[in-house]
Amino acid sequence: NAGVMQNPRHLVRRRGQEARLRCSPMKGHSHVYWYRQLPEEGLKFMVYLQKENIIDESGMPKERFSAEFPKEGPSILRIQQVVRGDSAAYFCASSPAVGSGNTIYFGEGSWLTVV
Amino acid sequence: EDQVTQSPEALRLQEGESSSLNCSYTVSGLRGLFWYRQDPGKGPEFLFTLYSAGEEKEKERLKATLTKKESFLHITAPKPEDSATYLCAVQASNDYKLSFGAGTTVTVRA
Repeated sequence: NAGVMQNPRHLVRRRGQEARLRCSPMKGHSHVYWYRQLPEEGLKFMVYLQKENIIDESGMPKERFSAEFPKEGPSILRIQQVVRGDSAAYFCASSPAVGSGNTIYFGEGSWLTVV
Repeated sequence: EDQVTQSPEALRLQEGESSSLNCSYTVSGLRGLFWYRQDPGKGPEFLFTLYSAGEEKEKERLKATLTKKESFLHITAPKPEDSATYLCAVQASNDYKLSFGAGTTVTVRA
């Protein structure tokens, strides 16, 4: 059973370009979370999605960032007009549902570098 | 707002030297407290979930315990391969997202 799959693992973008990060949850998981880990900082929640719905985007910057989890295909985290401060590791996680006993598993991350 | 504080920030151990990591938390009702291990350049690897005070879980040289205010991760007779950053996170009973501490970086010397 494959784990949470993220791609690309490493991405370099020039300032002003767009970055698209993809996440395929574990088989049977319908809940996806995105977290960001800035250098020397802890993991910070960004957004929680279920199929075709954004449940909570309270941790996501209001501008330039968006996320989706379509009925078919992976979840996408999109960052428009990237700036140097967007350089970070972006982790996707998934769970089968919400509640006690539902472990949240993380992918290996996508490392974004903005030059 | 949920708060998670981990101590110490860094821990250097000799192989075989047992020690404990602390995770203090405040949350409005705890659904679960999670421990993860993270190696450099990798994603967090799930270790344990604890749900209620008094609960304990073990995996190889690791043992996690939980009280109403804190959790401990005990490392017994560590080996160099136990070197990693250990992350603690809480999930509130009325929420689904995890709130993480800053982590404890453990280095075990042979």
